[in-house]
This record gives sequence, C-alpha cells and structure tokens, in this order.
Amino acid sequence: DQQVKQNSPSLSVQEGRISILNCDYTNSMFDYFLWYKKYPAEGPTFLISISSIKDKNEDGRFTVFLNKSAKHLSLHIVPSQPGDSAVYFCAASQGGGFKTIFGAGTRLFVKA
Amino acid sequence: EAGVTQFPSHSVIEKGQTVTLRCDPISGHDNLYWYRRVMGKEIKFLLHFVKESKQDESGMPNNRFLAERTGGTYSTLKVQPAELEDSGVYFCASSPGQGEAQLYGYTFGSGTRLTVV
Repeated sequence: DQQVKQNSPSLSVQEGRISILNCDYTNSMFDYFLWYKKYPAEGPTFLISISSIKDKNEDGRFTVFLNKSAKHLSLHIVPSQPGDSAVYFCAASQGGGFKTIFGAGTRLFVKA
Repeated sequence: EAGVTQFPSHSVIEKGQTVTLRCDPISGHDNLYWYRRVMGKEIKFLLHFVKESKQDESGMPNNRFLAERTGGTYSTLKVQPAELEDSGVYFCASSPGQGEAQLYGYTFGSGTRLTVV
C-alpha cells in the first residue's frame, strides 16, 4: 500500500513559467515532508522540506505548500529553468526515528 | 567532504548467483539506509542502520537479502541467490542523525544498477 502518491508521472512546462508538482499521502502520522530532485545516473538530492506545523516553506525559486486536512503537498518552482528538468520525489516521515517513505516520482521537462 | 560512495555502479548477474553491493557513507554519519527503486516505481525502503545495529529491517524482501555494517562504517548488501525480480537500482543514503534527516534529508549515493538475467 503506497502511503505517498505522486499521480502525475510527467509534467512539461515552458521555461520561465511555474511548475507545480503534486503529492498526496495517506498516513496522518507523517510530520515531516521532503522533496528530492534526481538527475539520470545520480542519486536523489535533497531540495526542500516542511514540517507539519507549517503550511508553507520557501527557498529561492522553490516553495512547498502543505494542506494537512487534504493530506496534500505541492512543490512550486518559479521561474522554471531548463536545468530543473529532472525527476522529483515527494517523501514523508514520522518523528522518532521512523523511516522516510518515498513516492514514485514526477519527471519534469522544462522546455527552452 | 566525500559523498556517499556505492560500488559497483552496475552489475549484471545470472539468476541464482550471488552479488554483494557496498556502500561507504559520509564519515561520521551514524545513520545508513538502503533503498531500492524498480523500473520507475517508488523508492522503497529496505533497512536502516544506526552505527552497526539494524534499527529497522522491515523493508527487506526476504531472507535472500543480508545487510551488514562492519564497525559502524561501510555497509554491504548481499543477495543470495539472486532472482529476476531483484533487478533494480539500489541506493544507499546516510545522515548524521534522525532529526537532521527530517529537516535536511539524506545524502544519497549514485546507486548500483543490478540486472538479474
């Protein structure tokens, strides 16, 4: 049973526009959420995180929004750049040393 | 600072053979994790070491998989005997502590692509 779901396998966006990647989760005990970015033949790299006590966290062009009642989070990239083309993984964990659960990823294509 | 190193980067073996994957975490990182990604699906948790002890091995598929972490440093993941469904990319990750991991994520290696034929 997948606890973290990324229902869009891919997304294509024009350079300079906004990219919105979505993620849903089922476990209400999750209290930390993270986004990772992965280029081909590399491991995932951490991008941004948010704890469940917040509804927004921003880092430069990247903003993560959390809607706990809907069990939904999204990653906004503004403006999108061709170098942002990668697979983005949503991940979640509980406090207290529990493992991090990952989604299946969304492949983002940013067209120049 | 050296990152997380995994060896080999690729391995092709026949069904029934044995393969051992190695991971060298970032020096000083007590927490070491193994994950696997199969053909575009989610990155699935396998197990978690804290130093040399197995904290959580709930994701290990079956007893053909054996993980060790010698002296709390590098880790190995052995698959014996390998089956076709074991094919995938095996990622190792490390973090200094669980609190840091939740806020700043894990540092992943580049993975080992295992193909069982």
